[in-house]
Amino acid sequence: DAKTTQPPSMDCAEGRAANLPCNHSTISGNEYVYWYRQIHSQGPQYIIHGLKNNETNEMASLIITEDRKSSTLILPHATLRDTAVYYCIALFYSGAGSYQLTFGKGTKLSVIP
Amino acid sequence: ETGVTQSPTHLIKTRGQQVTLRCSSQSGHNTVSWYQQALGQGPQFIFQYYREEENGRGNFPPRFSGLQFPNYSSELNVNALELDDSALYLCASSSAASGREETQYFGPGTRLLVL
Repeated sequence: DAKTTQPPSMDCAEGRAANLPCNHSTISGNEYVYWYRQIHSQGPQYIIHGLKNNETNEMASLIITEDRKSSTLILPHATLRDTAVYYCIALFYSGAGSYQLTFGKGTKLSVIP
Repeated sequence: ETGVTQSPTHLIKTRGQQVTLRCSSQSGHNTVSWYQQALGQGPQFIFQYYREEENGRGNFPPRFSGLQFPNYSSELNVNALELDDSALYLCASSSAASGREETQYFGPGTRLLVL
């Protein structure tokens, strides 16, 4: 799986959009970009994933550049409950269920009142 | 729809003991993956079970072993506990289908402290 690079920390004002960048310059054509977040001492929570196209769900939007070398997770209206560590993961599916998530250090997002 | 559950939530053991952690997968899911998360680090993949067989393993010694049952629930067993085994143990379930991506959903974790 491709290595991902994220800033160690970011701040965002409550109510504003939080834009979390991720660099994955060595990603292959078959690798998906996944985002999870982890609120203190809880299990990671799935947010969104995509392959080539931009994606949106009830939690967030995922913008993937045309060359797929980077992506941005957007939380449109950040709240204090969005304070968490956000992980960007490149994932290649090698067969029936044979895959693992490789977590880096992630980005610690602090939403400030 | 029931999410992933894990038991116990917290556990204290002493060095050299053995421990068993349990995970119930989300309804409709047939694959279970286990991760270890040391304090201040991201989760690290231990192994994955699919159709009751180990289907991929990370860089963990053989004293870490597991089982998956016909109902897709799973156990993680750790023998000869060491102090460095103190961590949050996470279980994730997914519904594997050949050639198609499937999202892993995590449980709340079991916090293990080895003294």
